[in-house]
Amino acid sequence: EVQLVESGGGLVQPGGSLRLSCAASGFTFSDYWINWVRQAPGKGPEWVANIKQDGSEKYYVESVKGRFTISRDNAKDSLYLQMNSLRAEDTAEYYCARGLTTDYASFDYWGQGTLVTVSA
Amino acid sequence: QSALTQPASVSGSPGQSITISCTGTSSDVGGYNYVSWYQQHPGKVPKLMIYEVSNRPSGVSNRFSGSKSGNTASLTISGLQSEDEADYYCSSYTRRSTLVFGTGTKVTVL
Repeated sequence: EVQLVESGGGLVQPGGSLRLSCAASGFTFSDYWINWVRQAPGKGPEWVANIKQDGSEKYYVESVKGRFTISRDNAKDSLYLQMNSLRAEDTAEYYCARGLTTDYASFDYWGQGTLVTVSA
Repeated sequence: QSALTQPASVSGSPGQSITISCTGTSSDVGGYNYVSWYQQHPGKVPKLMIYEVSNRPSGVSNRFSGSKSGNTASLTISGLQSEDEADYYCSSYTRRSTLVFGTGTKVTVL
């Protein structure tokens, strides 16, 4: 069974940092693009970043460029999101989501999310 | 990158068909056949319903279908059922190699 389990969320002050993790199981992690998607309370999803199977390509939404860094460790079947210089508008549930093998822009499995709250 | 534009709400009676539009630009929806649709029930994670404009993942009802014309993609739900009541979001690949979601549509079954 495919599983994605996020962790690392919490309450942080503006300007602070957090590192999110996503532990994958039930599939060959290194075969897939993986994404971070966030959803603010009462809002729609917003794609944040993704990373290629071998980590050689990474893309980000404009609003997080220079502040967030996506990475992966295929030996540990894990995905990470280092978030620095956090702002109130970064408050959201953060999900990791797996891209399809034929269309990495579509996500067939999502984790249950980890909540990030940025507030003083 | 601006969010793709969807109607805020669409409603229909059981058994009817409804269509949700998703309008972007030639830099996203119009430029690539990488449009997806997701269904999200309250308190749940999004579920992939359509990928690559018109393909259904295994297990998704054939009452759901997708299409695209120019810069606008569409999701049609045929034979509307009460369990179809949910929020629906489109998404598209963009020319910057990023992804963008739509503004979302609340579907109400009357």
